Amino acid sequence: KQEVTQIPAALSVPEGENLVLNCSFTDSAIYNLQWFRQDPGKGLTSLLLIQSSQREQTSGRLNASLDKSSGRSTLYIAASQPGDSATYLCAVSNPSGTYKYIFGTGTRLKVLA
Amino acid sequence: GAVVSQHPSWVICKSGTSVKIECRSLDFQATTMFWYRQFPKQSLMLMATSNEGSKATYEQGVEKDKFLINHASLTLSTLTVTSAHPEDSSFYICSAPPTGTRQETQYFGPGTRLLVL
Repeated sequence: KQEVTQIPAALSVPEGENLVLNCSFTDSAIYNLQWFRQDPGKGLTSLLLIQSSQREQTSGRLNASLDKSSGRSTLYIAASQPGDSATYLCAVSNPSGTYKYIFGTGTRLKVLA
Repeated sequence: GAVVSQHPSWVICKSGTSVKIECRSLDFQATTMFWYRQFPKQSLMLMATSNEGSKATYEQGVEKDKFLINHASLTLSTLTVTSAHPEDSSFYICSAPPTGTRQETQYFGPGTRLLVL
């Protein structure tokens, strides 16, 4: 059974710092991995999607890497801003049912001004 | 970009009543929609897959008679929590991939917060 874990569970940093969020999954047979942002009481915003054949994706100040064999992904946020404060979720989908996402436990990020 | 809406955004109800939550794809068609549940400080758990014109498929441990799903059209899926109890209080989120796309391209609704007193 696929399990997705995110470390740390919570993070508080001063504005301007570069930071790394970690995601690990137990079954390396995934179809893709996505990173999402969730603001309090709100839905999800997709940040980056990495196919299983890819190693990384970049969007603006965000960079996500994927090491499928070791079951790990990292989300790198450069020059963090207070507006980045949110909960970040990673999710993996399996090869047989590509629509089924297993979500991680989340990292609650707070960027201090 | 594609938009998914949910209604209501907030609902408070008494124990024993039923609550219906709507999920709509506003500018695309979706033959499949997904319902997730999120308890406080926990992650999202997939509850069921809603299929237009056929029965929903439920994840293990989700009571199909308690969480009724109807996918009546290509743009609307409804989740009805029957005989709601306080332990059903949660944040319910739907998602939908546009028909004809690979299903990993999903758009999420803003969520519905349910509080059962």
